Amino acid sequence: AQSVTQPDIHITVSEGASLELRCNYSYGATPYLFWYVQSPGQGLQLLLKYFSGDTLVQGIKGFEAEFKRSQSSFNLRKPSVHWSDAAEYFCAVGLYGNKLVFGAGTILRVKS
Amino acid sequence: DSGVTQTPKHLITATGQRVTLRCSPRSGDLSVYWYQQSLDQGLQFLIQYYNGEERAKGNILERFSAQQFPDLHSELNLSSLELGDSALYFCASSVGDRGVGTGELFFGEGSRLTVL
Repeated sequence: AQSVTQPDIHITVSEGASLELRCNYSYGATPYLFWYVQSPGQGLQLLLKYFSGDTLVQGIKGFEAEFKRSQSSFNLRKPSVHWSDAAEYFCAVGLYGNKLVFGAGTILRVKS
Repeated sequence: DSGVTQTPKHLITATGQRVTLRCSPRSGDLSVYWYQQSLDQGLQFLIQYYNGEERAKGNILERFSAQQFPDLHSELNLSSLELGDSALYFCASSVGDRGVGTGELFFGEGSRLTVL
């Protein structure tokens, strides 16, 4: 069965530091991969998506993610974190019919 | 603002009761999806409708049902409520229904249901 693993439940980084959130997936075919962000009291917002082609994808708010087929990973990165990035981040695999299977989420805390 | 509107934002009810959650998709979107977010289960896909027809079913309980109306808004009906049904229920919409080529779902802010 398709699954998405986000091994880090919480991550704390200092403002201005770099960030990497990990995501591993289990899926038989070429996956469609997404990162969504959920700010407190808000719905989910798409940060970026990977369908094919260049394995490094750029998203909104300065985020990027790299697809590594050999590692079944799609890690999210940002070179310099801002306090406003504190939120919960979800990795997801897209299945036929636009169904998304989400990971458990990683809560990002930013220290000033 | 994603353009997806959900009402009510908060709902408190008792066990055994029935509630209806409403979703208006983005203008032009034909697909509506319902997701449940709970502490123990995370984000779970419940059901998808496309242009009034059920398209896909996920982990939706038999006590729950949904429909999409001709004006494309959708309702999620939850009946015989149990404590464990307390969760944040999200509605999302997208233009199409087949394949994840567009892939982007636009999520509403959710309806928080508390069952006491």
